[in-house]
Amino acid sequence: NAGVTQTPKFRILKIGQSMTLQCTQDMNHNYMYWYRQDPGMGLKLIYYSVGAGITDKGEVPNGYNVSRSTTEDFPLRLELAAPSQTSVYFCASEQGYEGLRGQPQHFGDGTRLSIL
Amino acid sequence: GENVEQHPSTLSVQEGDSAVIKCTYSDSASNYFPWYKQELGKRPQLIIDIRSNVGEKKDQRIAVTLNKTAKHFSLHITETQPEDSAVYFCAASLSNFGNEKLTFGTGTRLTIIP
Repeated sequence: NAGVTQTPKFRILKIGQSMTLQCTQDMNHNYMYWYRQDPGMGLKLIYYSVGAGITDKGEVPNGYNVSRSTTEDFPLRLELAAPSQTSVYFCASEQGYEGLRGQPQHFGDGTRLSIL
Repeated sequence: GENVEQHPSTLSVQEGDSAVIKCTYSDSASNYFPWYKQELGKRPQLIIDIRSNVGEKKDQRIAVTLNKTAKHFSLHITETQPEDSAVYFCAASLSNFGNEKLTFGTGTRLTIIP
């Protein structure tokens, strides 16, 4: 298993441009998450999904959108990029049994995004 | 919602000594507490976790203790080695369908001094 795969690894955007960060997992996990990590800081939840067709906002959703059309894929869309969105973005997945959580989250290697 | 506080923010320990990182949580219903290690430029990786029906869990040099009454849990690393240098994050969550989010602490940067 490759686990959680994120693309691209690095990207530089100009202010106002848009892009999609890709995330795919091959572990058949139900739950998927997007976090951002600013330099020297902790992880902040942007959006999450508990299954195909279901998404919900996290702590910092403004400026982002997500979709979950399949179990495997959970892309994150940035519209009208702003310098404040310069960060490292991590995608994560979790098995997610109905009625029981408390399973480890598996993280991808991250996408380092700079908005100039 | 849940709030997790983590202390200290930085910790320097002589190689071979022990390190302790502490976290407190606010929601008494939280019942799953993982710890993640993040090396510089890498992804967070789970190193140990504990559920609320257990007071302590050990894995070689790493242990986690949980005090539900006081709502705090701690990471203990014994016989520290240079490769233990990293940022450590604690987290808490409710282990039931309908609340699927982990709340992370702000992290502790651990430096092992050779």
